[in-house]
Amino acid sequence: NAGVTQTPKFQVLKTGQSMTLQCAQDMNHNSMYWYRQDPGMGLRLIYYSASEGTTDKGEVPNGYNVSRLNKREFSLRLESAAPSQTSVYFCATRSGGTREEQYFGPGTRLTVT
Amino acid sequence: AQSVSQHNHHVILSEAASLELGCNYSYGGTVNLFWYVQYPGQHLQLLLKYFSGDPLVKGIKGFEAEFIKSKFSFNLRKPSVQWSDTAEYFCAVTPKAAGNKLTFGGGTRVLVKP
Repeated sequence: NAGVTQTPKFQVLKTGQSMTLQCAQDMNHNSMYWYRQDPGMGLRLIYYSASEGTTDKGEVPNGYNVSRLNKREFSLRLESAAPSQTSVYFCATRSGGTREEQYFGPGTRLTVT
Repeated sequence: AQSVSQHNHHVILSEAASLELGCNYSYGGTVNLFWYVQYPGQHLQLLLKYFSGDPLVKGIKGFEAEFIKSKFSFNLRKPSVQWSDTAEYFCAVTPKAAGNKLTFGGGTRVLVKP
């Protein structure tokens, strides 16, 4: 089992360009999350999906959109990239209930110039 | 909204030294608590978690953490570190009533010198 996979691993964008970060899981988990990681700030939640067909904003949703395509896949889209979105992006999943931890993907390192 | 503070941003130790990383959270209700570790170039992995019961929890690789409710703290400890413990460590909290959303601390970078 691959667990949680993310593509691409690295990406460089120019300001104003758009792109979609992909996340897929084979763990049959209900909940999926997108975080960004910036030095000294830990991980901050961008968007999450508690179950297929639902999405909700997290702490820092501005400039991003998400799609929960099916139970396995949860994508993050930057419509018009800005230098402030330079970060490492992590996808995570969780099976459900109140006692389950989150499982993280390997991350996508995005640079916006 | 809850918040999490990790007071040490960088820690440098020699092998065999003891490690203690502080974590304090602010939230009035009951919480679930986690420590995650990120080794260089890798994704986050769970070290240990606390949901209820014995406030001293043991995790992988010889790590343990103690939940002190009165101090809103969940400090991570290891009696004797190894070079392979070089990593960034994150404390995270989620209210029991809202198990979906983790709030992370800023992380502590630990460098263990051989």
